[in-house]
Amino acid sequence: EVQLVESGGGLVQPGRSLKLSCAASGFTFSNYYMAWVRQAPKKGLEWVATISTSGSRTYYPDSVKGRFTISRDNAKSSLYLQMNSLKSEDTATYYCARQVGVVPNWYFDFWGPGTMVTVSS
Amino acid sequence: DIQMTQSPPSLSASLGDKVTITCQASQNINKYIAWYQQKPGKAPRLLIRYTSTLESGTPSRFSGSGSGRDYSFSISNVESEDIASYYCLQYDNLPWTFGGGTKLELK
Repeated sequence: EVQLVESGGGLVQPGRSLKLSCAASGFTFSNYYMAWVRQAPKKGLEWVATISTSGSRTYYPDSVKGRFTISRDNAKSSLYLQMNSLKSEDTATYYCARQVGVVPNWYFDFWGPGTMVTVSS
Repeated sequence: DIQMTQSPPSLSASLGDKVTITCQASQNINKYIAWYQQKPGKAPRLLIRYTSTLESGTPSRFSGSGSGRDYSFSISNVESEDIASYYCLQYDNLPWTFGGGTKLELK
């Protein structure tokens, strides 16, 4: 059974940093692109970052480019999101998601339960 | 960026009704659209990919159709377990973008 479990969320002040983690199990982690998707309270979904199987390629929307860094450790079946210079608008539940498809058309097939990040002074 | 305009934002239905949600893309997305169900406090669940392909475990009362810029998602014979929010996702082009969501409630 595919399982994704996020951790690392919490309350952080604007301008500070936070690192999220996602532990994967139930599938061969190194064979899949992985992603982070967020959802602000009572709002819709926003893709945040994607990383290739080896970690050599990463993709970001303009809203987080230069502030967020996605990484992975295939030996530990773990995905990470380093978030710097956090803003109040980054407040959201952050989901770890597996991506599948045919290059370049990837969609998200399994999601973790999410971890909440609150950016506030 | 491709904008996905999803409507309606909310929908009220009785058990057994058929409901339809639409997503219009700001450009042709070549059928690369997926549909997700999200229940309160839970992660989204993939129901349909590539416009009309049902994922394993998706009940047959769910369906999708469309082409070009215009796509629809339907639930025939709404059941109580279908009460949730639904989102479309375009994955034709980066950045991947979602529709604003539709909240399905019981009448």
